[in-house]
Amino acid sequence: EPEVTQTPSHQVTQMGQEVILRCVPISNHLYFYWYRQILGQKVEFLVSFYNNEISEKSEIFDDQFSVERPDGSNFTLKIRSTKLEDSAMYFCASRAGGWDTGELFFGEGSRLTVL
Amino acid sequence: DAKTTQPPSMDCAEGRAANLPCNHSTISGNEYVYWYRQIHSQGPQYIIHGLKNNETNEMASLIITEDRKSSTLILPHATLRDTAVYYCIVRVASNTGKLIFGQGTTLQVKP
Repeated sequence: EPEVTQTPSHQVTQMGQEVILRCVPISNHLYFYWYRQILGQKVEFLVSFYNNEISEKSEIFDDQFSVERPDGSNFTLKIRSTKLEDSAMYFCASRAGGWDTGELFFGEGSRLTVL
Repeated sequence: DAKTTQPPSMDCAEGRAANLPCNHSTISGNEYVYWYRQIHSQGPQYIIHGLKNNETNEMASLIITEDRKSSTLILPHATLRDTAVYYCIVRVASNTGKLIFGQGTTLQVKP
């Protein structure tokens, strides 16, 4: 069964460092997303991406964050200068094109720990 | 998007049906009801969705009341692997496909 894959599974970084989280969405999917979940809290929407541009972003997704689809397969989330409060599980998701059935396919997540 | 209310937690005996309720009294005519679950901090997993009619797939059934103000997700024969947080989400179908997750219901399936 096709799946969304994310790397790394866990990353530890120092405050102020840049971090790139990588995702390989399901092949032929057209819509891509990043969500995050701080330990013990809700899953929060960060950004949606379609046709090589951001289609929607949340208040969390400030200038420190950026997304990119550098080639035909990867979808990346960059945090420019990490803060302690960026420590969270980051989930990538994708969905097929066409009518929105609400079925997003999520990866297993990348745990980011900022020290 | 309409607000949803779910009980924070529920228990269910293994092998029995798990019935998870969701209230969405402010739902509008073009809003769908979606159910997802999250098993132990893994990525959320889509279960089922519906607009007006009851729906069934290999994972679950979704029963939506006639006035659409509430719905119930039914796992017909719960197993220990169904222990998870279950999220009821109400929204319109949209180009962005964004989902807003609430706190959900923590379902504990017990042997």
